[in-house]
Parts: sequence; structure tokens; C-alpha cells
Amino acid sequence: DAKTTQPNSMESNEEEPVHLPCNHSTISGTDYIHWYRQLPSQGPEYVIHGLTSNVNNRMASLAIAEDRKSSTLILHRATLRDAAVYYCIRMNNNAGNMLTFGGGTRLMVKP
Amino acid sequence: DGGITQSPKYLFRKEGQNVTLSCEQNLNHDAMYWYRQDPGQGLRLIYYSQIVNDFQKGDIAEGYSVSREKKESFPLTVTSAQKNPTAFYLCASSIKVGTEAFFGQGTRLTVV
Repeated sequence: DAKTTQPNSMESNEEEPVHLPCNHSTISGTDYIHWYRQLPSQGPEYVIHGLTSNVNNRMASLAIAEDRKSSTLILHRATLRDAAVYYCIRMNNNAGNMLTFGGGTRLMVKP
Repeated sequence: DGGITQSPKYLFRKEGQNVTLSCEQNLNHDAMYWYRQDPGQGLRLIYYSQIVNDFQKGDIAEGYSVSREKKESFPLTVTSAQKNPTAFYLCASSIKVGTEAFFGQGTRLTVV
């Protein structure tokens, strides 16, 4: 039970912003939201994580809804190298939850 | 360079043979994990270890075994009891369970 819901696939044009949604309606107060991405035949790569506030780093931004039941990973300008499967994961540091990967969203970027 | 290394990248074995996959990290991480990925699917947790000389079963531990004798190393043995061993195997490590994980490049095991 991955406890998050993501669309199976999304398409974007190169150099346009991409918003990848994730629903986590049963999230508890201490669960962090983590995002990883996986390129073909490679191990997943950490992207970003957050708890309540929106977060930014060099790779992406994470917007978390006020009720924390959903979040959106934002790639500000998609490149062809961003084509990957993006996984949204709930993680409770206090309970020592493992990374539990669901099916993720396959992002396709068109030139 | 710090990182996590899996070897070999590709591995072929005959059915009925045990095979051991290597995972080494020099990140000084306490926690290490093994995942299995089948084509078009997400990752499933096989085993994890929070500290040296300790490990726990994940969701699909049957047919697999691990050891954690050193902090840097967490080898996975795929035994003949694993009914469908052909898959992509990924090792990861993190400072502690629940924090940002770093993954190796994976080992693709094919059993014929």
C-alpha cells in the first residue's frame, strides 16, 4: 500500500514548466513527502522533500497543500533529461518508515 | 568520490544456483536497503538494515538472505528458493531510516 496516488503518465514540452500532482489524503501530521525520479535502467535519484511549507532546491519546487492531502512537484523548465518516472512517497521519520514506491508518473518531454 | 556501488551490472545464472549481489557504500551511512524492480513496476523492499549486525525483512523477503557484518557492505543472496529471481535489483543507503536515500546503479539478474 503505497498510500499515494499519481497519474500514470504526463507529457510536457521542452522548456515549459511541469506540474506533477500527488494525492496523499490519509497523510498523518508527521509524514514527510519525498520525491524521487528514476531514469531508464538507473537507480532512483532524490529530488526534494517537505513537511508543510513549500520547498525549493536546484532541481525543483515542492508545493504542499494547506491541508497536506496533496502536493505538486514543479519543474520550472523541463528539459529532455527530465524525462523519467517520478515517485511521490510518504515517509514518517519518527516511525522509521521505509521508502515505499508506488507506480509513479512517467513524464515524457517533447522537443 | 563518495557513493554507493553495486556490482556486477549484469549477472546471469542458471536456475537452482544461489547468487550473491554486492553493495558497498563509503558514505558512512547507518541504514542500507535492497529493492527489487520488475519491468514497468515500482520498487519493492526486500530487506533493510538500520545498523551493523542488524537487518529486517521487507515486503518480499522470501527466497532472499542478507548479512551486515560491516557498515559499508550489505550483500544480498538470491537463493534457489526464490521462484522468480529475474529482476533489476537496487541497493540504497541513508544516514538513518527515513532520510534521503542514495541508490546504486542496480544489478540486472537473469536466471535461465
